Amino acid sequence: QVQLVESGGGVVQPGRSLRLSCAASGFTFSSYSMHWVRQAPGKGLEWVAVISYDESNKYYAGSVKGRFTISRDNSKNTLYLQMNSLRTEDTAVYYCAEGSGGSCPAGYWGQGTLVTVSS
Amino acid sequence: QSVLTQPPSASGTPGQRVTISCSGSSSNIEINTVNWYQQLPGTAPKLLIYSNNERPSGVPDRFSGSKSGTSASLAISGLQSEDEADYYCAAWDDSLNGVVFGGGTKLTVL
Repeated sequence: QVQLVESGGGVVQPGRSLRLSCAASGFTFSSYSMHWVRQAPGKGLEWVAVISYDESNKYYAGSVKGRFTISRDNSKNTLYLQMNSLRTEDTAVYYCAEGSGGSCPAGYWGQGTLVTVSS
Repeated sequence: QSVLTQPPSASGTPGQRVTISCSGSSSNIEINTVNWYQQLPGTAPKLLIYSNNERPSGVPDRFSGSKSGTSASLAISGLQSEDEADYYCAAWDDSLNGVVFGGGTKLTVL
């Protein structure tokens, strides 16, 4: 069955960096775009970034552009989010989601990994 | 302030039909398809409707979606207690070059 498992979350100080990973299995990872979506505590969903199946296209939310980088390794079925210059407002649960059949996240999401930015 | 506008709350009694609106603009809903997601407390979002009105397999036909102009709606008929959740709409925005979400609607089953 399809599984998306995020890892790499934790507590980090403002200004520092963190890299999240999302390990995919159960589907042809290299054929689908992939998204990162986050949710601050008690808040709604916020889209973060998307990467095309072949890494040729990457798009970011304005709030993270220039600080976050989305990438993937199709040989390892893994999606990444490099987060630099972290701010307290980046505190959230980060979900990865597959992007089959359209421009938005689709049917398979990970369970999320919590990133807490605090001094 | 979300790009897509949803009512913060909605409610209904068991068996009732409720609708949740999602208002956007000419750069998102009017020209791109809309997805709807259901999020139960403490869990990841679940895709409920895609391409405006399509249901993934396993989603009951009590859930339906529609779109007209710059707005979309999610309808839930035969409301059940397990439908109590947060609901989000989303669409691609051609001006922002990204996905935009609604602020979410908390549905309470009375």
